Amino acid sequence: EAEVAQSPRYKITEKSQAVAFWCDPISGHATLYWYRQILGQGPELLVQFQDESVVDDSQLPKDRFSAERLKGVDSTLKIQPAELGDSAMYLCASSLEGPQREQYFGPGTRLTVT
Amino acid sequence: AQTVTQSQPEMSVQEAETVTLSCTYDTSESDYYLFWYKQPPSRQMILVIRQEAYKQQNATENRFSVNFQKAAKSFSLKISDSQLGDAAMYFCAYSLYGQNFVFGPGTRLSVLP
Repeated sequence: EAEVAQSPRYKITEKSQAVAFWCDPISGHATLYWYRQILGQGPELLVQFQDESVVDDSQLPKDRFSAERLKGVDSTLKIQPAELGDSAMYLCASSLEGPQREQYFGPGTRLTVT
Repeated sequence: AQTVTQSQPEMSVQEAETVTLSCTYDTSESDYYLFWYKQPPSRQMILVIRQEAYKQQNATENRFSVNFQKAAKSFSLKISDSQLGDAAMYFCAYSLYGQNFVFGPGTRLSVLP
């Protein structure tokens, strides 16, 4: 069964350092999402791509976060510089195009900033 | 901005019994989508059930059903014949035309043998 892949699974970094996360969606899924999930809370949408275009990045802290999906397939989320408050689980999800489509989530990357 | 509220941080149910998880949301839109997602411990989040706001009929998926009250902006999830594998975090989510996804804070469900 096809799955969303994410790497790394765990990342520890010092504050002020740069960190990057990678996501490979299910083949054929045009829509890709990045979420941040703080422990004990629900996921917060950071950015949504339709193919290679950003359709929603209203909650992305653009002074330090960036995301790209250059060829409309895999995606990278970057944080520079990392802050202590960025410690969280970063989830990637993908779906077929359409408003009611099911999102398939990856296992996430747990980031700890020290 | 749209908000999603889940007023029950934790719930428990006896195996084989029925439990209802609550969700309310705030929106000024008339056409939107609502979802329940399940996040088992240390496993990926998966979709449980979805509802389109313009459909009056409540969605049903096997043992899972919803009570969608559009005027009250309420979207509760009923789990019948609860099983040990139902133990998880449950998140209610809202979407407008496939964008602007907003998740609630979640309800942790425990299933007691």
